[in-house]
Amino acid sequence: NAGVTQTPKFRVLKTGQSMTLLCAQDMNHEYMYWYRQDPGMGLRLIHYSVGEGTTAKGEVPDGYNVSRLKKQNFLLGLESAAPSQTSVYFCASRPTANYGYTFGSGTRLTVV
Amino acid sequence: DAKTTQPPSMDCAEGRAANLPCNHSTISGNEYVYWYRQIHSQGPQYIIHGLKNNETNEMASLIITEDRKSSTLILPHATLRDTAVYYCIVRGFNNDMRFGAGTRLTVKP
Repeated sequence: NAGVTQTPKFRVLKTGQSMTLLCAQDMNHEYMYWYRQDPGMGLRLIHYSVGEGTTAKGEVPDGYNVSRLKKQNFLLGLESAAPSQTSVYFCASRPTANYGYTFGSGTRLTVV
Repeated sequence: DAKTTQPPSMDCAEGRAANLPCNHSTISGNEYVYWYRQIHSQGPQYIIHGLKNNETNEMASLIITEDRKSSTLILPHATLRDTAVYYCIVRGFNNDMRFGAGTRLTVKP
């Protein structure tokens, strides 16, 4: 039981490049989330999903897209990376609404 | 969701109880209080949550005042490994979690 797995763990992108961050959970959780955390700050919600095939915007969705084609996977895409997207990205999941989150270990992304 | 206020930092002696306060004076009747912690640069870890009754699990206790306007997270015997940023979050049943700046707890030998 791996919990929530994020890949890659580290990545350096050039401005304008695109990439996809993968979040996979093996706990059969319905809800999945993408957060970003900038140095010295709390987490900010980017996008989330309340079930397979659904997605919704969070606090800071601009510049990102997501997809939830399979229940166990939640993908975060950057179409044209910008230096302002340099951050640590965390994925989280939970079974239903009244549970705490299980977080992944994060993806450290640097855009130069 | 209601706004929360936490002290930016606290110290605690190893082996002593750590009491972390959280003020949520605008909480509404159907909003839960959640606590998470984040150790260094790891992903946040769920600790405990409650609605109006006090709660206890293997990690901590959550004490919610009768008027629900504030709560306290208690780590009964703090260890050096409990040094982390602790987040208090108030949210409605179907709402997502919004993380603030939290309290940086430093457990000292």
